[in-house]
Amino acid sequence: GAGVSQSPRYKVAKRGQDVALRCDPISGHVSLFWYQQALGQGPEFLTYFQNEAQLDKSGLPSDRFFAERPEGSVSTLKIQRTQQEDSAVYLCASSPFAGRGEKLFFGSGTQLSVL
Amino acid sequence: RKEVEQDPGPFNVPEGATVAFNCTYSNSASQSFFWYRQDCRKEPKLLMSVYSSGNEDGRFTAQLNRASQYISLLIRDSKLSDSATYLCVVDGWDDKIIFGKGTRLHILP
Repeated sequence: GAGVSQSPRYKVAKRGQDVALRCDPISGHVSLFWYQQALGQGPEFLTYFQNEAQLDKSGLPSDRFFAERPEGSVSTLKIQRTQQEDSAVYLCASSPFAGRGEKLFFGSGTQLSVL
Repeated sequence: RKEVEQDPGPFNVPEGATVAFNCTYSNSASQSFFWYRQDCRKEPKLLMSVYSSGNEDGRFTAQLNRASQYISLLIRDSKLSDSATYLCVVDGWDDKIIFGKGTRLHILP
């Protein structure tokens, strides 16, 4: 399809387990964002890539969170030693421009539940 | 002060009424402003951009007040299908796009 694709759609992890969440942005999109959305809250910024460069990772809540986009297209968000507070929907968005909220296209998200 | 603040609501409004909500932002250097809509269990989608001169799209009107650092969204003749969460988005410095926590709107039949 032509949209942003995220996988898996749902992930259940035991506390302490490592998880990897994948985002396939729209082809040719320069910018890629990761957001964390807890139930009843707005999306919280995690990190931002412009092509393969991670320009901002100030929103990553701890050093257990790591994101990469090695070839400037697909991105992976990895969470090590998951904790219950990591349970949330993780949204990926891409844009053809640098930092333009107007052209953000979101994937359907990965709902992570840590037991 | 948080970077982007919104009244979380919920706003419970009868069908056909007019409803308005505001969003304040802390960074006076912010350049671009948007409203996104998010339906339950769905991803956010762009509703409209907010221009300095204000802009209108059908029943929706967005305004920007730079002096007081807030943006507003007005919905006229509300429909049941307008029920959603409305997210204020500010495009700040260093290309960081910040979302507010959202305002929940329920249109009542």
